[in-house]
Amino acid sequence: EPEVTQTPSHQVTQMGQEVILRCVPISNHLYFYWYRQILGQKVEFLVSFYNNEISEKSEIFDDQFSVERPDGSNFTLKIRSTKLEDSAMYFCASSEIGQGKGGYTFGSGTRLTVV
Amino acid sequence: AQSVTQLDSHVSVSEGTPVLLRCNYSSSYSPSLFWYVQHPNKGLQLLLKYTSAATLVKGINGFEAEFKKSETSFHLTKPSAHMSDAAEYFCVVSDSRTGFQKLVFGTGTRLLVSP
Repeated sequence: EPEVTQTPSHQVTQMGQEVILRCVPISNHLYFYWYRQILGQKVEFLVSFYNNEISEKSEIFDDQFSVERPDGSNFTLKIRSTKLEDSAMYFCASSEIGQGKGGYTFGSGTRLTVV
Repeated sequence: AQSVTQLDSHVSVSEGTPVLLRCNYSSSYSPSLFWYVQHPNKGLQLLLKYTSAATLVKGINGFEAEFKKSETSFHLTKPSAHMSDAAEYFCVVSDSRTGFQKLVFGTGTRLLVSP
């Protein structure tokens, strides 16, 4: 069964540093997403991406964050100048269609710890 | 705005007994609803989805859920729990107002299964 692959599985970084979280979506999927889950809290939508541009972003996704699809396979989330409160599990997901009916396929997540 | 409420943060059952995980939704239009499961240190796996077809939805691993519009509920059930069912379960509603799918998660229910 096709999978969404995320690397690394764990990342520890110092406050103020930049991190890049990487994802390889399912190859025939066209819509890509990042979600995050702060420990003990809900899974929250960050951003959706389609046709090489952001289609929607949440209020969490401020100028500190950016996404990119640098080649035909990778989808990355960059967090500039990390803060302690950025510590969370970050999930990448992809879907074949963008509207309503389908479920996503999620990756296993990257646990980011900012110290 | 779309939202879901998971009524129990923890549910404990014995192996072989029925499972009921409760979810109520709030939606201004006909929603798409999902249940996802998260095993420890794993990603989010789609269990089942409701997309305005049959109101009783069957998913993987013997789980099913019934969409009840009059009660705005989408409870997850399983006739007989297995030890391997112990995990975190998320009720999710799809918000497609912008034309792009965004998932809104509940707070999760941790299912504990005892021998």
